[in-house]
Formats: sequence, C-alpha cells, structure tokens
Amino acid sequence: KQEVTQIPAALSVPEGENLVLNCSFTDSAIYNLQWFRQDPGKGLTSLLLIQSSQREQTSGRLNASLDKSSGRSTLYIAASQPGDSATYLCAVRGSNYKLTFGKGTLLTVNP
Amino acid sequence: GAVVSQHPSWVICKSGTSVKIECRSLDFQATTMFWYRQFPKQSLMLMATSNEGSKATYEQGVEKDKFLINHASLTLSTLTVTSAHPEDSSFYICSARRTRWAGGNTGELFFGEGSRLTVL
Repeated sequence: KQEVTQIPAALSVPEGENLVLNCSFTDSAIYNLQWFRQDPGKGLTSLLLIQSSQREQTSGRLNASLDKSSGRSTLYIAASQPGDSATYLCAVRGSNYKLTFGKGTLLTVNP
Repeated sequence: GAVVSQHPSWVICKSGTSVKIECRSLDFQATTMFWYRQFPKQSLMLMATSNEGSKATYEQGVEKDKFLINHASLTLSTLTVTSAHPEDSSFYICSARRTRWAGGNTGELFFGEGSRLTVL
C-alpha cells in the first residue's frame, strides 16, 4: 500500500526566503507526482505535475523535482511571498488514476 | 485550464437527512471522477471512483449504501450522503480525469472547490 509522507508538517519563514518542501513515497511504481496548494476551507489548486519519466518541472517561482528510484520529491519555492501561505500537498498517482496524498505542509510566510 | 465545479460549497443538515453533492466538469468531458473526504488536518482519502454509465468502485471501508454515487453523464457525478450523522461531517472533494483531448492526455486530475458538510 502506497504511503506518502511530507516533511515538515509546518513551516514558518520570513518573506523573501527560498524554501524546500519534502515529499517521500514508499512505492516507486508511480505514474506521476503532483503538487497542490490548498487554502483554508478551499479545494485544491494544481501547481506542478511531474511524469514518472521526468526529473523536474518548473512554473514561475516553483520548481519540483522527482527522484522516483529513491521515492522522493521536493518543491522549491523561490523568493517566498505572504501570498504563498497555504497548505502544500503532494500526491502520487498509481494505477487507475488513484491518487495517494500526503498530509501536507502548512506554510506561513511572514511579511 | 480545466474547471471542475462542486455544489453546494457548504451545507448544514440535521442528523438522519440525506445530502446530495454535485461535481461538474464545466469545459471538458470526464468519464471518470473521484470522490475524496478530508477530515481536519488530515490527508485526502479516496472514497470511490465514479465511472460514467456504470457502477462506482468503492475503497475498502467505505459503505456504498451510505455514500451513493451516480455518474449519469460525461460532465456530472453526484455523491449522496444518506441518513447523515455527525461523524459524516467532513470536507468532500471531487476530481475529474479529462477524457482524451487534442492537447494530449497528461494524466492530470482537476479538482473541485470542495463541499463542507456539517451534520448537527
């Protein structure tokens, strides 16, 4: 059974810092890995999707890497802003499009 | 990007009543949709896979008679929580898999905004 772990559970940084969120998964047989953002009481916003054959994806200040063999992914956020404050979720896709989610990292960026 | 809409976004009901939540793909067709439940400070847990024109597939431990799923068209899936009880209070989120389109099938899933159910 796939298990996804995200570290740290919470992170508080001053504005402007670069930061890294970590995600690990136990079964390396994945189709892709997706990073989401969730604001309080809201749904999910897809940030980046990395196919199993890819090593990284970039979108603006966000960069996600994937090391499938070691079961790890990182989300790098450059020059953090208060608007980046949210919970960041990592999810891996197995067979039949089922996603397994981590519990998320609660990020607070202080002005 | 593809848009998935959920309705209602929040609902409060009395114990014993039934509540229906709709999940619509607004600008694409989705033969498969997924229903998740999220308790406070917990991860999203997959409840069931909704397949257009056929029965839903439920995850282990999810009562199919309590959580009725209907996927009657390529753009709509509904989740009905029957005889709701306070322990059913949760955040329910759907996602949709876009059927093949010209842009190529990346396997990306699109999520609704979620529906918060509170059972008194």
